Amino acid sequence: DIVMTQSPGSLAVSLGERATINCKSSQSVLYSSNNKNCLAWYQQKPGQPPNLLIYWASTRESGVPDRFSGSGSGTDFTLTISSLQAEDVAVYYCQQYYSNPPTFGQGTKVEIK
Amino acid sequence: EVQLLESAGGLVQPGGSLRLSCAASGFIFSSHAMSWVRQAPGKGLEWVSTISGGGGDTYYADSVKGRFTISRDNSKYTLYLQMNSLRAEDTAVYYCAKELSSGWLYFPHWGQGTLVTVSS
Repeated sequence: DIVMTQSPGSLAVSLGERATINCKSSQSVLYSSNNKNCLAWYQQKPGQPPNLLIYWASTRESGVPDRFSGSGSGTDFTLTISSLQAEDVAVYYCQQYYSNPPTFGQGTKVEIK
Repeated sequence: EVQLLESAGGLVQPGGSLRLSCAASGFIFSSHAMSWVRQAPGKGLEWVSTISGGGGDTYYADSVKGRFTISRDNSKYTLYLQMNSLRAEDTAVYYCAKELSSGWLYFPHWGQGTLVTVSS
């Protein structure tokens, strides 16, 4: 199984500042046939199901604010919130879908400083 | 609009059984693989099982293989998860989830989740 490791486990960021979450996979999730990375990011608020933010490592899901962006390739990926808003307080998960079973990172909790 | 509605979970004794269902609407059910993902209290997300659109292919996490069975009734737009030999570590919120398309297992659509508690 591909192991997904996120860092940090939690972070506190001031409103309007940048938040950066890292995700590392134990093997490459780059799919050679389409040259895309099989990596998704989700946001989960308390009591709610996860909400897909990013797929193919950098494609923003419809309706997701453009302050959320994804980058990276191969084994190293980043989710960036360019200007943290109060409503962004949540836990964020990365997930690989390159191979079965799909696996998630352990989550990163984002709070307001 | 895609909607996924899980049935009520509940409290089950260790060793017991429970069947979850997920009623789907807003899309052509048979055209999409469906999955179950769970989340233990205060923990992260764990993929449990996936079934292909036609139902002929099923996949399971090692942690549930041989105990859980995923199935679907395309005529009823309903996904199922039969859970047998339940253990305390199966206690979790269970979500049904729909892929976007083409069999890539990332999930734009989730149900609200249902809590299964395994305890004596």
